[in-house]
Amino acid sequence: GAVVSQHPSRVICKSGTSVKIECRSLDFQATTMFWYRQFPKQSLMLMATSNEGSKATYEQGVEKDKFLINHASLTLSTLTVTSAHPEDSSFYICSARAPAGGLDNSPLHFGNGTRLTVT
Amino acid sequence: DQQVKQNSPSLSVQEGRISILNCDYTNSMFDYFLWYKKYPAEGPTFLISISSIKDKNEDGRFTVFLNKSAKHLSLHIVPSQPGDSAVYFCAARPSDSGNTPLVFGKGTRLSVIA
Repeated sequence: GAVVSQHPSRVICKSGTSVKIECRSLDFQATTMFWYRQFPKQSLMLMATSNEGSKATYEQGVEKDKFLINHASLTLSTLTVTSAHPEDSSFYICSARAPAGGLDNSPLHFGNGTRLTVT
Repeated sequence: DQQVKQNSPSLSVQEGRISILNCDYTNSMFDYFLWYKKYPAEGPTFLISISSIKDKNEDGRFTVFLNKSAKHLSLHIVPSQPGDSAVYFCAARPSDSGNTPLVFGKGTRLSVIA
């Protein structure tokens, strides 16, 4: 089945540094990937839609200069948390939909997430 | 404004019995619904889905029921097993070419007691 790989699974960084999270679709090409964020006991909140070869679409309230998204190829999207602060500590999850052609009701497949802790 | 609501944050069920997880939505444009299962520190795993042209979809121990007029869906797990203990997320979106993201509920933590 479709697999999405996310790396790293866990990262601890100091305040002010930047962290890059990679999301790869392993056995399919994804023109669109989605980045979600989850706070403890909360829902998965969409941060942005990553589009291959074009700019990402950010949800309201998400700072595009802080959360840089690059979708450089059909199998790789990266999320860079720039100048991280403790309030950026969260669980970040990427997802992609394996294409089924035409109108597509195939489910999203998720990476295993990245636990970011900013000290 | 929450478009997908899971009003029960937690549910405990005895092993072997039926687990029923509920989900309500407000956006009438939604016509594709999914359930995901999530363990701690892992990404969600797709469980089962249903499109609005159906009112029931079954896959092994998992059945999803959709009541469009009530904007309500439910996930039935029977018989429940201890390994089913996880957080279950309901998600929805309009049918499209694949570029519309899912909207998730807050999740229901299911505990299956042996």
